[in-house]
Amino acid sequence: GDSVTQMEGPVTLSEEAFLTINCTYTATGYPSLFWYVQYPGEGLQLLLKATKADDKGSNKGFEATYRKETTSFHLEKGSVQVSDSAVYFCALSLLGGSNYKLTFGKGTLLTVNP
Amino acid sequence: KAGVTQTPRYLIKTRGQQVTLSCSPISGHRSVSWYQQTPGQGLQFLFEYFSETQRNKGNFPGRFSGRQFSNSRSEMNVSTLELGDSALYLCASSLPGQGTFFYEQYFGPGTRLTVT
Repeated sequence: GDSVTQMEGPVTLSEEAFLTINCTYTATGYPSLFWYVQYPGEGLQLLLKATKADDKGSNKGFEATYRKETTSFHLEKGSVQVSDSAVYFCALSLLGGSNYKLTFGKGTLLTVNP
Repeated sequence: KAGVTQTPRYLIKTRGQQVTLSCSPISGHRSVSWYQQTPGQGLQFLFEYFSETQRNKGNFPGRFSGRQFSNSRSEMNVSTLELGDSALYLCASSLPGQGTFFYEQYFGPGTRLTVT
C-alpha cells in the first residue's frame, strides 16, 4: 500500500541552525506531497505542498522539492527559530479515483533552543 | 472566515461506552474527513464524507462510524469503547476533490478522547 517514511525524531537544534527532515514515499500512482506542522495543543496546519515532479513548495522559509526519481520530499530551512518548535508530518495524497485522503508519516518532533 | 471547529475538545469515557464527536467545517467546504492520532500508530485515516455520503473509509472496525448532515456538519461515533481508542480525533474539511484534483485539507484542533 501507499506509505510515507520520515526520519525519526526528536530533532534538537540551536536557533539559526540548518534544518533537514527526510521524507520518502511509496505510492501506487502519482501522488501530491505535503508537509503539515502541528504546534502543541493544536490541529495540523498545511506548511507547503507540491503536486508534480520537480515542483518546489515553500512557505515561511521552509522548502521541499518533489523528487520523483528518489521518491523523496525532504523539508529544509536555512535558519530555524524557537517558534519553529513543533511536530512536522510528511503526507501524500493520490490523484484520481475516490482516494480523497492523506497518508501521513509518523511525524518528527523538532525542538529549537535559544 | 472561521476555521474547523470540533466539540467537545476533551472527553473521558469508560470502556464499553459509546461516544459521539462533532465537527463543523469551514463555511463552503463540503468534504469532511476524520483522522485518529495516537503515539503508536500516528495519524490514520478513518473516513471521508461528501454530500452526506461516505466516499472513502480507512481500515478501522465497524465500531467506528460517521455521518454527514445536509449543512456539511459531521459526526463520528465509536461504540463499545476500548482502551486502545484513546486518541486525538482530528476532523478536516476541504472543497470536494473530484477526479484527479485534491484540495488541501484544513484541520480542526481535535477532540482528545481518553478511555478508562
